[in-house]
Amino acid sequence: DTGVSQDPRHKITKRGQNVTFRCDPISEHNRLYWYRQTLGQGPEFLTYFQNEAQLEKSRLLSDRFSAERPKGSFSTLEIQRTEQGDSAMYLCASSLGVTEQETQYFGPGTRLLVL
Amino acid sequence: QKEVEQDPGPLSVPEGAIVSLNCTYSNSAFQYFMWYRQYSRKGPELLMYTYSSGNKEDGRFTAQVDKSSKYISLFIRDSQPSDSATYLCAMRGRAAGNKLTFGGGTRVLVKP
Repeated sequence: DTGVSQDPRHKITKRGQNVTFRCDPISEHNRLYWYRQTLGQGPEFLTYFQNEAQLEKSRLLSDRFSAERPKGSFSTLEIQRTEQGDSAMYLCASSLGVTEQETQYFGPGTRLLVL
Repeated sequence: QKEVEQDPGPLSVPEGAIVSLNCTYSNSAFQYFMWYRQYSRKGPELLMYTYSSGNKEDGRFTAQVDKSSKYISLFIRDSQPSDSATYLCAMRGRAAGNKLTFGGGTRVLVKP
């Protein structure tokens, strides 16, 4: 399967711990997005990379959150000092940004539960 | 007020019925409109993708966009129990690399 993959699929952690998620985009996709989805809501944009450059960050991305995309391939999203309000599904999407009509393809998500 | 409004449902229909879903939006900069299907605890799967106003048909799915009314619709004909899922509308501006803005999703249940 050559779709977007995310790891881990589930993570349970205690409040105050740090967690890191990984996203592997579709091969050759130069754009990578992170979204957060809480129960009963649609996904909300967090941040976006074009190759290795982080081009946009939402105000939802507090200073406890950091994302990287070294070498323009996989990406990691780290949450430091987790809070119960961080419990959500974290979704990664990628796109081939060649034309204006790009399409974002989503991975299966990482479900985070902060106790 | 949210930029994209979508009735959360649930919408319950008998198998074989037409499912009608819609979203309204407030941002006139939105140019690209999408519908995603999301099964429980899974990632969103792209169903339909349209640009500007008009209709697009793909198998049992028809997407409509009315930019003058800031209103988009998705119709599912001959619905099947496997269509039971949450349907998310999403939209973005014209510039490449634009983030998607989603509605809250409508939960659909197709009863056999």
